[in-house]
Amino acid sequence: QKEVEQDPGPLSVPEGAIVSLNCTYSNSAFQYFMWYRQYSRKGPELLMYTYSSGNKEDGRFTAQVDKSSKYISLFIRDSQPSDSATYLCATPRSGTYKYIFGTGTRLKVLA
Amino acid sequence: DTGVSQNPRHKITKRGQNVTFRCDPISEHNRLYWYRQTLGQGPEFLTYFQNEAQLEKSRLLSDRFSAERPKGSFSTLEIQRTEQGDSAMYLCASSRTDGSYNEQFFGPGTRLTVL
Repeated sequence: QKEVEQDPGPLSVPEGAIVSLNCTYSNSAFQYFMWYRQYSRKGPELLMYTYSSGNKEDGRFTAQVDKSSKYISLFIRDSQPSDSATYLCATPRSGTYKYIFGTGTRLKVLA
Repeated sequence: DTGVSQNPRHKITKRGQNVTFRCDPISEHNRLYWYRQTLGQGPEFLTYFQNEAQLEKSRLLSDRFSAERPKGSFSTLEIQRTEQGDSAMYLCASSRTDGSYNEQFFGPGTRLTVL
């Protein structure tokens, strides 16, 4: 079992839809969670990070952590074609600075 | 541009050749990381430096791979005797050291193709 699991998609939605992207993790010691956006053939760009359970909002993006279920989510409201990218969840391995990434979910927002 | 920069952006080489990539981190960041990403996968950690000290290496980093950060600024990643399985995107990231959480900023990557 991978330590961070993510559905690879692809996920296609119409413009304006609410998008839900999800990851599960196996180690309850993980504390911080990051969401990165990666456009094709580019490096990952940090969107949001969260620590502890609950929601964190930034513009059209909301990150949610449920530590009891070991489940993290990223919601995108009013999705735009420019949101079409691969979304990666990541967490630092406890006691180290190395990130463990999910496989990424490829999102396509149709105009 | 004050972000992480990587050179070259693309490298095509023949099997058995040596290649070297360079990463210039964000100037005030003293941690530097190398990751490898293959198609359809998330980045996988290779190694990281705090200043010039290499503090952790993944088992993915075989003896054909070597990374340096001689003056605690830029870093190089060398792959000797390249193999087709080395074809991937090599990503560099950097972060600060204050606080228990380190936000890693990634560069654009170097895409390696081994023929």
